[in-house]
Amino acid sequence: AQSVSQHNHHVILSEAASLELGCNYSYGGTVNLFWYVQYPGQHLQLLLKYFSGDPLVKGIKGFEAEFIKSKFSFNLRKPSVQWSDTAEYFCAVNVINQGAQKLVFGQGTRLTINP
Amino acid sequence: NAGVTQTPKFQVLKTGQSMTLQCAQDMNHNSMYWYRQDPGMGLRLIYYSASEGTTDKGEVPNGYNVSRLNKREFSLRLESAAPSQTSVYFCASSEYRPAGVVRYNEQFFGPGTRLTVL
Repeated sequence: AQSVSQHNHHVILSEAASLELGCNYSYGGTVNLFWYVQYPGQHLQLLLKYFSGDPLVKGIKGFEAEFIKSKFSFNLRKPSVQWSDTAEYFCAVNVINQGAQKLVFGQGTRLTINP
Repeated sequence: NAGVTQTPKFQVLKTGQSMTLQCAQDMNHNSMYWYRQDPGMGLRLIYYSASEGTTDKGEVPNGYNVSRLNKREFSLRLESAAPSQTSVYFCASSEYRPAGVVRYNEQFFGPGTRLTVL
């Protein structure tokens, strides 16, 4: 069965620091990859997705992620974080199949940005 | 356009009590999902409904039942609540992907229901 692993459970940074959150998945077939963000007290929102093509994908709010197929990785990056980026971040994989699109989520990484 | 709505927002149950979590979407999506979110475990799929009239088990279905009432509504029922079911429950919806069509249809999430079982 496919699985997703996020290496960092809690990351604490200062404003303007660079961010990289790790995500690895296990599945040998074709996948879609996603990063979702959950701001405090809010529901999940899609940050960015990789579907095909350019492995470097750009999302909202200055976030980007790089799909490295040989490493089964999809790390999230941001060159300069802001206090408002404080949130929980989830990596997810969607196995290509017909019909409903089941997402498998990683454990989540809580990001705290100190002003 | 409210998106995905869930009721209630909070609920406290005693062990053995039953309850139903309600979910509705107004985006005319075919597929709907129920997840639970637990600290350190991310979101795990409980049940899903690919289209009206069908339901399937996800990763953690034990102790739950679902009903796809119509295209808009997908409810989750706990027949006899247990403390292990203390969690935050999220409903989501997406478009259905036909066979042979390679595209992703984003899942839209509701605001969640925080359930505590004592």
